[in-house]
Order: sequence, then structure tokens, then C-alpha cells
Amino acid sequence: DIVVTQSPDSLAVSLGERATINCRSSQSVLYSSNNKNYLAWYQQKPGQPPKLLIHWASTRESGVPDRFSGSGSGTDFTLTISSLQAEDVAVYYCQQYYNTPWTFGQGTKVEI
Amino acid sequence: QVQLQESGPGLVKPSETLSLTCTVSGGSISGYYWNWIRQPPGKGLEWIGFNHYSGSTKYNPSLKSRVTISVDTSKNQFSLRLSTVTAADTATYYCARGRMVNGGMDVWGQGTTVTVSS
Repeated sequence: DIVVTQSPDSLAVSLGERATINCRSSQSVLYSSNNKNYLAWYQQKPGQPPKLLIHWASTRESGVPDRFSGSGSGTDFTLTISSLQAEDVAVYYCQQYYNTPWTFGQGTKVEI
Repeated sequence: QVQLQESGPGLVKPSETLSLTCTVSGGSISGYYWNWIRQPPGKGLEWIGFNHYSGSTKYNPSLKSRVTISVDTSKNQFSLRLSTVTAADTATYYCARGRMVNGGMDVWGQGTTVTVSS
């Protein structure tokens, strides 16, 4: 199984400041034939299901604010919230879909 | 717009079989992976498995011997059966649509809480 590890487990950021979440996979999730990283980011607010924010490691879903961005390749990835808003308080998960079993990181809790 | 809704018992006795159904509305079953994911109270997400609309399935090896995911295209539904449950199977269970083209799971149900207890 591909193990996905996030850091930190939690972070507190002031409103308007940058939040950075890291995600590392135990093996590369870059598929050489199409040069795509099979990694997604989700946001989960309390009492709600996860919401897909980013696929292919860096492609925002339609309607996701552009303050959210994903980067990285291979085994190391980052989700950045450029200017934290109150509504961004949530737990964020990365997930690899390169191989089954699809696996999630343990989650990173973002607070104000 | 596609919506998913889980349904099934909220309480299951130990050693019995957990059965849940996810109803897909506003769209077709064709062309996607249909997933179940669970989240124990206060914990992270665990992928259980999927049934591709063509009928092929993939399951998490940690649950493989106990899991069956099936699709009923005539009803636009897919289902989860998890046998021989224990307290460790207590969780919120989500159904979700997985995309073949862009990847990721883009549509999720609201989740249903299942407690395993006698």
C-alpha cells in the first residue's frame, strides 16, 4: 500500500496569513506515461463530507477559490492557502489515487 | 447536479452484516467509480473500495474478505455489504463518485453513522 503522511497534524494561522500543508507519499504517484501526479486534496468541515479541492496535485476544481493552490511532484506535495479566511477552518486531507487501495493522509486541522 | 444519498440501519449487532445503499440522483451510474469511504468517530478517512460501473471491483485489503460493493444500474444505486462486524466498524460511512478522467472523488453523500453494538 502507498502510505500517505501529512504534516503538520494541526496548525493555527492568523486571518489573512498563509497556511501550508505538506503531504508525502511512500512511493511516487507520478505516472510517467501522462506526466500526471495522481494526488488529490480535500477539505472537510465539521459535520460535513469531504469536498474535493484539487486533483492532479495542482488543478483546482471548478468553484474553488484561487487562494487554494497545490504543488509538488513525485512523492512530495503541498497545499497552500494564500490568505486564510474564517471559512477555511477545516481538516484537510491528501489522497493518492495512483494505486489501490486508495489511501488518505491522516489529515491536518487548520485553525485561526 | 448529481447528488448521492446513503441509507441503511444506524445500528448493527456484532457479528452481523452491515448493509448500506447509496442512491444516485441527477446523473447516470455510467462512466464512474462508485466508492465507499468510512470515518471512525474523531478519526481520518479510510477508503473501503469501489465498483466501477462496468462491474469490476477493488477493495481495501484490510477489509477485502468482508466487503462486497455492488451496482444496480436499473435503480441508479450502489450498495455496501460488510460482514461479521465488530465495534471497530463503528463509523460514518460515505458514498462517493470517483472520476475516471480527472481522478479524485468529486461528489459525496452526506454520510450515515453506523454503530455496532449489541
